[in-house]
Amino acid sequence: AQSVTQPDIHITVSEGASLELRCNYSYGATPYLFWYVQSPGQGLQLLLKYFSGDTLVQGIKGFEAEFKRSQSSFNLRKPSVHWSDAAEYFCAVGRTGGGNKLTFGTGTQLKVEL
Amino acid sequence: DAGITQSPRHKVTETGTPVTLRCHQTENHRYMYWYRQDPGHGLRLIHYSYGVKDTDKGEVSDGYSVSRSKTEDFLLTLESATSSQTSVYFCAITGDLATGQYFGPGTRLTVT
Repeated sequence: AQSVTQPDIHITVSEGASLELRCNYSYGATPYLFWYVQSPGQGLQLLLKYFSGDTLVQGIKGFEAEFKRSQSSFNLRKPSVHWSDAAEYFCAVGRTGGGNKLTFGTGTQLKVEL
Repeated sequence: DAGITQSPRHKVTETGTPVTLRCHQTENHRYMYWYRQDPGHGLRLIHYSYGVKDTDKGEVSDGYSVSRSKTEDFLLTLESATSSQTSVYFCAITGDLATGQYFGPGTRLTVT
């Protein structure tokens, strides 16, 4: 069975500082990997995705993520955080077939200090 | 943004009453999903559909049923609501996993 671990429940960074949110997955084959962001009271918005090709993927809002098969990781990064990036971030893993289901991590809450 | 809406957006109901939540899409996507979101648990899949009248259980399906009689609509029913079903419910859709799932705005359900 596939699973996702986001080891950091809360992270606080200063505006302008760099950010890295960790995501580790468990899956037997090459997974489909996703990062979503959720602002308070809102639905989830897709930031970026990976399923093949270049292991460094670019997403919206200046975010990027790197797939590292040897570490079973898909960490999300941003070089300079803005106050508007404060939100909850979810990593998810999926596989084709069987309903194209996703398994989500428990999320990381990002706070940005001005 | 994907054309996906949920209704109602907020609902308060009493224990033991039936509740139906609706998800409507305008994208003609094959797959539709119902999740619940609770603090510390992320999103957990309740049920999903892979076509009209084709549905299957997710990881937390007990106490919930679903129906899909049209491509665009996916209904989630709590036959007899319990306080443990107080949660935020999200619907999602996808046509192809490579594009990701797209989420509705959510329904906040409170069972008193």
